[in-house]
Amino acid sequence: GNSVTQMEGPVTLSEEAFLTINCTYTATGYPSLFWYVQYPGEGLQLLLKATKADDKGSNKGFEATYRKETTSFHLEKGSVQVSDSAVYFCALTLTGTASKLTFGTGTRLQVTL
Amino acid sequence: DTEVTQTPKHLVMGMTNKKSLKCEQHMGHRAMYWYKQKAKKPPELMFVYSYEKLSINESVPSRFSPECPNSSLLNLHLHALQPEDSALYLCASSQGASGGWTGELFFGEGSRLTVL
Repeated sequence: GNSVTQMEGPVTLSEEAFLTINCTYTATGYPSLFWYVQYPGEGLQLLLKATKADDKGSNKGFEATYRKETTSFHLEKGSVQVSDSAVYFCALTLTGTASKLTFGTGTRLQVTL
Repeated sequence: DTEVTQTPKHLVMGMTNKKSLKCEQHMGHRAMYWYKQKAKKPPELMFVYSYEKLSINESVPSRFSPECPNSSLLNLHLHALQPEDSALYLCASSQGASGGWTGELFFGEGSRLTVL
């Protein structure tokens, strides 16, 4: 079956530190990959996506590269801010799965001054 | 307008009550979704409506009854719920489903439901 594995949280960083949140996947076909973010008290928002191998998604200083050889889609940011504190969900979907996203368990990021 | 609006934000109900959650979007999206999210867990898909027709029901108990009156509105009717149904209920929309599915969902802020 299809699944997404994320690193356990919480991840606690000081402001301006480098962020990596690991995500690996298992899929029966060629998935599209996503990072969604959920700020406290809010719904999820799409942060970035990649639809094929070697694509790089980027938004708001965050980046992730679709690595087919390692089945990974790690999220990175060079310098985090307190406002980046949130829960980050890695997700995948397959063509033909008709509107279904498979989410990882989420990784909570806490950024302190 | 890129918002999905959900009401109420908070709802407390007894196990014998009947209540409804409401969701509205004006982005012209033709697919709408209900998700359930428990604390510290990812969202779980409950229902998908595509072009106002129910296309996916993830084996949700019948005490949850979805309704899509038109392409902009989505309701979730609640009856005889159990305390374990307490959760954040998220509505989402997308431009399409099935052939138009891209994986991009627009979520509302959710309705936090407590069942006593």
